[in-house]
Amino acid sequence: GAGVSQTPSNKVTEKGKYVELRCDPISGHTALYWYRQSLGQGPEFLIYFQGTGAADDSGLPNDRFFAVRPEGSVSTLKIQRTERGDSAVYLCASSFFSGAPTGELFFGEGSRLTVL
Amino acid sequence: KQEVTQIPAALSVPEGENLVLNCSFTDSAIYNLQWFRQDPGKGLTSLLLIQSSQREQTSGRLNASLDKSSGRSTLYIAASQPGDSATYLCAVHDYKLSFGAGTTVTVRA
Repeated sequence: GAGVSQTPSNKVTEKGKYVELRCDPISGHTALYWYRQSLGQGPEFLIYFQGTGAADDSGLPNDRFFAVRPEGSVSTLKIQRTERGDSAVYLCASSFFSGAPTGELFFGEGSRLTVL
Repeated sequence: KQEVTQIPAALSVPEGENLVLNCSFTDSAIYNLQWFRQDPGKGLTSLLLIQSSQREQTSGRLNASLDKSSGRSTLYIAASQPGDSATYLCAVHDYKLSFGAGTTVTVRA
């Protein structure tokens, strides 16, 4: 596609439920990133994929968060047993990888998650 | 751990004035630095990317400088317009982007 696409754009769920957020990166971009942004803050790194593998998942806050990218394109961020503190905008970005992670990152519009 | 700071947190100027937004970072071992614009409720739009070997980048009314050794970058926006009102975020890339909290700019007509 022309840009990074994220679905859903808005998700309201109840505490304790399971949530999946999807990211479709720019075609040909092998690097994919997930970030989380709370109100008034800059985005916070969660996980970085190079191809199908998670090259760095050090930003995932705990084991309720998990992300996959099985075919090296679309990625899904999965949150189990959601808590109110998980409410935030989840941003996905992709970039072209040319031997080093120095490419410009392009972001999607984000998925706003509200946990009641 | 990389820490990125943006000063000021908010800025209000009359239309036509030049804007100066500051960004500082603690670890100079970076690949590049990227400036973004974010409108309320929207994602991030890339404005400028400066590679670590570069000193500045320009795009239209925007100019960004980078002094890697001192851990500083400055974004200049010339002749501001009301449409420039947004939050501007600085991010340094050491294989993942580390962001500042942003500077929220209001340009008054």
